[in-house]
Amino acid sequence: GENVEQHPSTLSVQEGDSAVIKCTYSDSASNYFPWYKQELGKRPQLIIDIRSNVGEKKDQRIAVTLNKTAKHFSLHITETQPEDSAVYFCASFTSGTYKYIFGTGTRLKVLA
Amino acid sequence: SAVISQKPSRDICQRGTSLTIQCQVDSQVTMMFWYRQQPGQSLTLIATANQGSEATYESGFVIDKFPISRPNLTFSTLTVSNMSPEDSSIYLCSVGGTGVSDTQYFGPGTRLTVL
Repeated sequence: GENVEQHPSTLSVQEGDSAVIKCTYSDSASNYFPWYKQELGKRPQLIIDIRSNVGEKKDQRIAVTLNKTAKHFSLHITETQPEDSAVYFCASFTSGTYKYIFGTGTRLKVLA
Repeated sequence: SAVISQKPSRDICQRGTSLTIQCQVDSQVTMMFWYRQQPGQSLTLIATANQGSEATYESGFVIDKFPISRPNLTFSTLTVSNMSPEDSSIYLCSVGGTGVSDTQYFGPGTRLTVL
């Protein structure tokens, strides 16, 4: 079946450094790629998303890039802060089938 | 984005009993989704709840174990039946991911512990 691979599973960075999380999807028909942040005990919250007709999107310290040919998309967080510590999930969505597939998650720890 | 609430927020239940989780949305939505998230794991879709029709279950999940109701366009319930400790998990409802809005938004979750 279709899946989304996410790497790394854990990531520790020093405060102020950048963090990159990568995902690979299998369904070539996927056309929407959101990223969610889940803090401990909280619900997943959308932080940024990108559609298949766009290669890059940026929102302050976070950015997402998409390579449709390679079926890769990545989350970039610059100038990391301790409050960025959380679990991040990527997902792929196929509007034709309403199919959402989530990655396995990345636990990011920002060390002060 | 939709405002989604769930009740209860948490519960501790005995083996063999059942728990019904409620999900309320502040706007009418066609499809609602129920997910399970086991500790340290990703989100696993249990079923899709459509108003006026039977829920659609994912592989590994059956109606007898997880009956779902969808009486109107703003409300749904998920029942976890004949519980065992393996059912201990967080259960989340969500909306979106349809033709109207591609983005899924999640409820706050119900943390279930089965003893």
